[in-house]
Amino acid sequence: AQTVTQSQPEMSVQEAETVTLSCTYDTSESNYYLFWYKQPPSRQMILVIRQEAYKQQNATENRFSVNFQKAAKSFSLKISDSQLGDTAMYFCALYSGGGADGLTFGKGTHLIIQP
Amino acid sequence: GAVVSQHPSWVICKSGTSVKIECRSLDFQATTMFWYRQFPKQSLMLMATSNEGSKATYEQGVEKDKFLINHASLTLSTLTVTSAHPEDSSFYICSAPKRWEQYFGPGTRLTVT
Repeated sequence: AQTVTQSQPEMSVQEAETVTLSCTYDTSESNYYLFWYKQPPSRQMILVIRQEAYKQQNATENRFSVNFQKAAKSFSLKISDSQLGDTAMYFCALYSGGGADGLTFGKGTHLIIQP
Repeated sequence: GAVVSQHPSWVICKSGTSVKIECRSLDFQATTMFWYRQFPKQSLMLMATSNEGSKATYEQGVEKDKFLINHASLTLSTLTVTSAHPEDSSFYICSAPKRWEQYFGPGTRLTVT
């Protein structure tokens, strides 16, 4: 069975600061994908960033970047220049199927950006 | 892009009745769709995998006779909560994969009174 662990239930930072959300995972698969999803109060799941396990280069999407440490099975999300609209639940997720498996989610981190 | 819709967005039903939730992939075909349940302030938990043309597969602990899944076509999966009880009140989210990425519906809030 695969697992995803997020150890920070809630984090709060000031606007414009940088914040890092932690995630560790465990899987026996060699080919997998890791994701960070944002879930605002509307509860619509929004993909923030993805990382293919076979790629050594860390993914970056504008203000969002990851630190992917494959050997340590760690996948943290860094948000730079945080904005009020970044306030949301953030879920780390693991996908290792070939289209036939769902995602395994961590418990989530509630990120609050203070004005 | 890829869009997944769900209907209804919010449903209230009385205890003992059944309610059907639809999940549609609007601009792509999906032989597989996934149903998740999310309780307040908790994460998404995979309930079952919906397979077009065959039976759904359920995660451990999910009652298949209570949560009936039908994947009627390559763009439609339905989840029917039978004999609903207040403890079934939750937020139900479906997703459909396109290549290796999951596209999520907006979710359905079910309230059982």
